[in-house]
Order: sequence, then C-alpha cells, then structure tokens
Amino acid sequence: SAVISQKPSRDICQRGTSLTIQCQVDSQVTMMFWYRQQPGQSLTLIATANQGSEATYESGFVIDKFPISRPNLTFSTLTVSNMSPEDSSIYLCSVRGPYNEQFFGPGTRLTVL
Amino acid sequence: AQSVSQHNHHVILSEAASLELGCNYSYGGTVNLFWYVQYPGQHLQLLLKYFSGDPLVKGIKGFEAEFIKSKFSFNLRKPSVQWSDTAEYFCAVKGTDKLIFGTGTRLQVFP
Repeated sequence: SAVISQKPSRDICQRGTSLTIQCQVDSQVTMMFWYRQQPGQSLTLIATANQGSEATYESGFVIDKFPISRPNLTFSTLTVSNMSPEDSSIYLCSVRGPYNEQFFGPGTRLTVL
Repeated sequence: AQSVSQHNHHVILSEAASLELGCNYSYGGTVNLFWYVQYPGQHLQLLLKYFSGDPLVKGIKGFEAEFIKSKFSFNLRKPSVQWSDTAEYFCAVKGTDKLIFGTGTRLQVFP
C-alpha cells in the first residue's frame, strides 16, 4: 500500500487567513484526491488532482476557496483560503492503489477561530 | 448519482457479540465496494473490498462482507467482536472515478 504523509498534522488558524496543506506519497500516482471530514460527519470529496492539469472540483467546492497544486506525481497541496470557523475540519489526502483501492493519509486537523 | 447509506449510526455491543453493519448504495452500473475503519486517534484504513467474483469477501481482523446485488447492499459482519474493534466504520462505493462514503457507524465494544 502507498505511504502518504501530510503536513501539518494539525493547526489552529485565525479567521480570514489561509493554510496550505501538503501531501507527499512514496510512489508515483496519477490521481490524488482531497477529502474533508467535518466533526462527526463522513468524508466528502473536495476535488481530484491530476498531474499536469487543473483539479476537478466537486459540487459545492470552488477553486478560489480551495486552490490545489499538483507539481509532480508524488506531491500535492491544498490551500484553504480566507478561512472561517465553518472550515474547521480534518482534511485528508488520498491516492488510488494499483488495484483500484484507495489509501488515505493521516489527515490535517484544522481549527479556525 | 452515487449515494451510500449506513443505517446504524451508533452500535454498542459486548465482547463476543456478533456484529452486522448495514450498507446500501445507489448506483446503476458496476461498482467497487469498500469498508474502511478508523480507530480512535488513527487514520482511515481499508478493511476489505469487493471488485468482482465471490460476493462474500473476507478482510482483516476477522471481518467479512457480503455483496448482494439485488438488494444493493454490502453489509459488514464479524461473528465475535473484541474491545479492540471499537472504531468508526465507513462503507464506500466507487462507480465512476469517485469514491463516495456513507455517514459512518460508530461501534463501541464493552468488555
């Protein structure tokens, strides 16, 4: 299985600021995914990030709020922009394995005050 | 559109009790089905998966799940739970390229 690391593991931020979350994978992958897990809720897909093209966002998520970079096949970043308390959540990076299963990083726990 | 529903939000069991967590999905085409587990303080781990073939799949730690196509279900089972099974369990479905999660079931096992 892929080994995925995320930085930071947690952060507390002020309203109106932005935070960039990094995701590093130990192998080259075509597709990387960003999910959000709000307190007490399930995981919601934010966007799919393919290397060399713009990210594809799910309904309810926009690039201005969650810009994503995918500079190579092992790395991606998600920025949470102009944060509000409603953005407090766990943000997870995910990659697809060779047999179509999906693996998840440890997550970044974000608290917005 | 794909959707997944888990009917049990919170399940409380004693050790050695049997477990069955319900999962139903909505999607007209071929699906891949998954159960993930999230132990307290840990990240999401794949418990088992179904792609094709035998509809009864076995996963780690004694868990199994049965795909019943006619019922659009993929229920998770374990004959005898342990305290260490206390965790959040998520059913997930992949139809096209997206992996969609159910709302999760919190399992508490008491010794």
